[in-house]
Amino acid sequence: GENVEQHPSTLSVQEGDSAVIKCTYSDSASNYFPWYKQELGKGPQLIIDIRSNVGEKKDQRIAVTLNKTAKHFSLHITETQPEDSAVYFCAATLLPNAGNMLTFGGGTRLMVKP
Amino acid sequence: SAVISQKPSRDICQRGTSLTIQCQVDSQVTMMFWYRQQPGQSLTLIATANQGSEATYESGFVIDKFPISRPNLTFSTLTVSNMSPEDSSIYLCSVKTGVSTDTQYFGPGTRLTVL
Repeated sequence: GENVEQHPSTLSVQEGDSAVIKCTYSDSASNYFPWYKQELGKGPQLIIDIRSNVGEKKDQRIAVTLNKTAKHFSLHITETQPEDSAVYFCAATLLPNAGNMLTFGGGTRLMVKP
Repeated sequence: SAVISQKPSRDICQRGTSLTIQCQVDSQVTMMFWYRQQPGQSLTLIATANQGSEATYESGFVIDKFPISRPNLTFSTLTVSNMSPEDSSIYLCSVKTGVSTDTQYFGPGTRLTVL
């Protein structure tokens, strides 16, 4: 089955700096890679996702890049703000297939210092 | 998108008792899932809740411990039975609006503490 590794487990940055979180996956067939943000006391919220037919996707201050050959994808947050502080999870799966569920990485706790 | 609510939001229970968690979605969804998130850990899929039939459990999870119901396309329950302190976790309901849909949405979670 799929295995997703996520690094780093914790990341501390100064407000305004950039943050990068990296994930590697094991199943070359996986084609959908979402990123979730989980704030304290809340459920995970989808913030961006990418399919394997594109290499990069941006949404304002966040972007995701995908390297299919190396089987890794990364989340980039620019101009970080204190409200970006949360735990971020990457995930991977093969779509469309009802039997293939999301496999999550271990999570990264991002702390943005004002 | 889908708006998901869970009840209760948190509870403190005694060992040996059972707790039923409810998940309500504001629209009909094709797939509903239950996840467990142990303290400081990632998300682990417990089971897929199937409407009108038995849930599909992942390895390590059994129906006797985590019975699940899904009477319709907007509602599901998860029961944590005969609880022990090791069951202290956040339990999350999650949905997909279509079988081939990419996006999976999560509820706010139920924080369970077992004493």
